[in-house]
Amino acid sequence: AQSVSQHNHHVILSEAASLELGCNYSYGGTVNLFWYVQYPGQHLQLLLKYFSGDPLVKGIKGFEAEFIKSKFSFNLRKPSVQWSDTAEYFCAVNALGDDKIIFGKGTRLHILP
Amino acid sequence: NAGVTQTPKFQVLKTGQSMTLQCAQDMNHNSMYWYRQDPGMGLRLIYYSASEGTTDKGEVPNGYNVSRLNKREFSLRLESAAPSQTSVYFCASSEDGGLGYEQFFGPGTRLTVL
Repeated sequence: AQSVSQHNHHVILSEAASLELGCNYSYGGTVNLFWYVQYPGQHLQLLLKYFSGDPLVKGIKGFEAEFIKSKFSFNLRKPSVQWSDTAEYFCAVNALGDDKIIFGKGTRLHILP
Repeated sequence: NAGVTQTPKFQVLKTGQSMTLQCAQDMNHNSMYWYRQDPGMGLRLIYYSASEGTTDKGEVPNGYNVSRLNKREFSLRLESAAPSQTSVYFCASSEDGGLGYEQFFGPGTRLTVL
């Protein structure tokens, strides 16, 4: 069965700091990978996704993620965070051919102004 | 397009009461999902429907039932609510879950069971 592990439950950064949120998954086959974001009081929105091709994917609002197959990882990065990035971030994995997406437990990111 | 809509937005129930959460999507998506979100637990899949006419259990199906009424609508029913079902419920849809298309989420229903 697939599973997703997000290493940090709660991250606090100052504005302009660099961000990296860790995500590892367990599944030996082909996967599709996602990062979703949930702003306070809102529903989940897609930040970026990896299906195939270039392992470095760029998403909205300056976020990017790198798929490292050998490490089963899909870490999210942003060079300089803003106060408006305060949100909860979820990594998710879909095994090719499976109808379901498995979500990690989420990382709460708090940006200090 | 409204995307994914859910009703109601808020609900308070007493233990043992029943209710149905409604979800509809206007994107002509094949796959639909129900999740619950609890602090520190992330999103847990309750039930899903890969296509019209099919439903399957997810990770936490106990205490819930679902109906895929048509391609647009997917309802979640609590037959006898329990305090452990206090949560925020999200409906989502996807063009084709089996091909890994992204899921689009509704605004959620915040349910409290006393």
